[in-house]
Amino acid sequence: SQQGEEDPQALSIQEGENATMNCSYKTSINNLQWYRQNSGRGLVHLILIRSNEREKHSGRLRVTLDTSKKSSSLLITASRAADTASYFCATDAIYNSGGSNYKLTFGKGTLLTVNP
Amino acid sequence: KAGVTQTPRYLIKTRGQQVTLSCSPISGHRSVSWYQQTPGQGLQFLFEYFSETQRNKGNFPGRFSGRQFSNSRSEMNVSTLELGDSALYLCASSSISGGRETQYFGPGTRLLVL
Repeated sequence: SQQGEEDPQALSIQEGENATMNCSYKTSINNLQWYRQNSGRGLVHLILIRSNEREKHSGRLRVTLDTSKKSSSLLITASRAADTASYFCATDAIYNSGGSNYKLTFGKGTLLTVNP
Repeated sequence: KAGVTQTPRYLIKTRGQQVTLSCSPISGHRSVSWYQQTPGQGLQFLFEYFSETQRNKGNFPGRFSGRQFSNSRSEMNVSTLELGDSALYLCASSSISGGRETQYFGPGTRLLVL
């Protein structure tokens, strides 16, 4: 099963509005990352937030992390048509008992459509 | 620095054939991870190579294999192709092993199995 689950699955807004996407995960993590993907192309890294951080900003992006609720949110302010893409959260879940092996596990993504 | 490159970008094969995909990581990166992306299953981790050694492996059959060369370039091989192997295959490079740092993705190879 997916470690990260994004919500909503799809979001449609008007240019200039803010877009908020949420991500929930199941196990302890070291960090959580957000990626963007335009129409079946490669993923572009947006932001990484570590488990000891609560909020991080990068340009029009704001990410929060609540480890007690095992959830994160990505806020895009003043959205533009060029922000239309799928957004994925990814976590580095520990997946072996020794705790030395990590892999990046992705959710199924939120499809954001920004209408001009 | 140049980004992650993948070749070929598009590929059409028939069932039963085999295919080899190539990934060149960002200069200086020693970790290369491979992912399969399909509409139904989303992004799934295939395996990771670090300094020519497979470090981690996802839940894929043995038909999926890979290797990494001393210059960190990686190849992924799928033997006896099945229709369900049609997907976008993405590789990502990172400076350290696992998902503890940012992974930089290539544009992907889109494989269609007929």
